[in-house]
Amino acid sequence: ETGVTQTPRHLVMGMTNKKSLKCEQHLGHNAMYWYKQSAKKPLELMFVYNFKEQTENNSVPSRFSPECPNSSHLFLHLHTLQPEDSALYLCASSPLQGGNEKLFFGSGTQLSVL
Amino acid sequence: QKEVEQNSGPLSVPEGAIASLNCTYSDRGSQSFFWYRQYSGKSPELIMFIYSNGDKEDGRFTAQLNKASQYVSLLIRDSQPSDSATYLCAVNDPQGAQKLVFGQGTRLTINP
Repeated sequence: ETGVTQTPRHLVMGMTNKKSLKCEQHLGHNAMYWYKQSAKKPLELMFVYNFKEQTENNSVPSRFSPECPNSSHLFLHLHTLQPEDSALYLCASSPLQGGNEKLFFGSGTQLSVL
Repeated sequence: QKEVEQNSGPLSVPEGAIASLNCTYSDRGSQSFFWYRQYSGKSPELIMFIYSNGDKEDGRFTAQLNKASQYVSLLIRDSQPSDSATYLCAVNDPQGAQKLVFGQGTRLTINP
């Protein structure tokens, strides 16, 4: 396994379901991110974790709950989502120093909320 | 509200020509600027970054930055069909060291 791996690639869920997205990075980075990419809207930062500590929450609704047990793994727990939450959710990682130049994205999870 | 503006396109360019992609940003405090390429159904991939006014060249790609005008551009020389993708402009948010603000992206099509 190399790079940033996300599972599942596709997810369909009802508004009452609870599901989790998983991300794993094999790059030795110590910062991990969740981004949201909605149709016809810019890519938007959701959360940042440095050394498994959350350092940024970009006013994300509480129905999105991130978890970072270590520097290599990141989860996004989903519950009682709305149809407007349907989007591509991208995980990314970077080193802490010069991180913006070395931000690597995973392939994303395409989420559909019915 | 920090904003990065791009023409969503589609921008259609003949093969072998120069493709010119433009981006403006609202926060004068931004200091670093990035261009990502995103193929349909794939994740964004960094292709260029620039910090100083002027031009930066890497192969067929040239990034241009004008901080006074708050303007960033990407030129692709000798465009190839494989360059057909959406190009995302991103700038750093001065309020957060790891925050990038992205534009909506410009869809580029290279016609053989």
